[in-house]
Amino acid sequence: DAGVIQSPRHEVTEMGQEVTLRCKPISGHNSLFWYRQTMMRGLELLIYFNNNVPIDDSGMPEDRFSAKMPNASFSTLKIQPSEPRDSAVYFCASSHMAGTGGREQFFGPGTRLTVL
Amino acid sequence: GNSVTQMEGPVTLSEEAFLTINCTYTATGYPSLFWYVQYPGEGLQLLLKATKADDKGSNKGFEATYRKETTSFHLEKGSVQVSDSAVYFCAGGDNFNKFYFGSGTKLNVKP
Repeated sequence: DAGVIQSPRHEVTEMGQEVTLRCKPISGHNSLFWYRQTMMRGLELLIYFNNNVPIDDSGMPEDRFSAKMPNASFSTLKIQPSEPRDSAVYFCASSHMAGTGGREQFFGPGTRLTVL
Repeated sequence: GNSVTQMEGPVTLSEEAFLTINCTYTATGYPSLFWYVQYPGEGLQLLLKATKADDKGSNKGFEATYRKETTSFHLEKGSVQVSDSAVYFCAGGDNFNKFYFGSGTKLNVKP
């Protein structure tokens, strides 16, 4: 299994530019999560999907952030316009939601975003 | 709401020392509990898990027991190695697969 795939691995952009992060979950998984990690705030859940439907986006910091999951094998997180405070490592994770009890999440390698 | 609290780091130990990283949870119902490990420049990897009270998760010499009476899931290892140096995250998972993570504990193991 290829695991969760994220692209790009590194992104450097200038303030005001649009940034799109991509994620391919593990085949067969029906839950997908976007996290942001910084030294100051630690690991934050931004949004998650079950069966391609957004369930909880309360962690999305502002309207500049948006996420989509058009099908079971692809999701994007978009920041428009980007700001220096968006600099962080963004992780995508997937899991198989079945029955009761949380199932382990499998994390991708992350995208390190730097906004100048 | 649901939350997890873990001890602040960094924790610095000598090789072969005993490790304990404390984790307590607050939740409605009985969450599944997890420990994840993050090595520099990498994503989080599942280390071990427990899905119900009194379950013990174990992997690579690490252990943690789900204690309902103390709402705890402390991570232990009898003899740490330099290669165990990483950041460790305790997490709880609810019935909808949403996780809540602790703030992470950095472990430094010196030779």
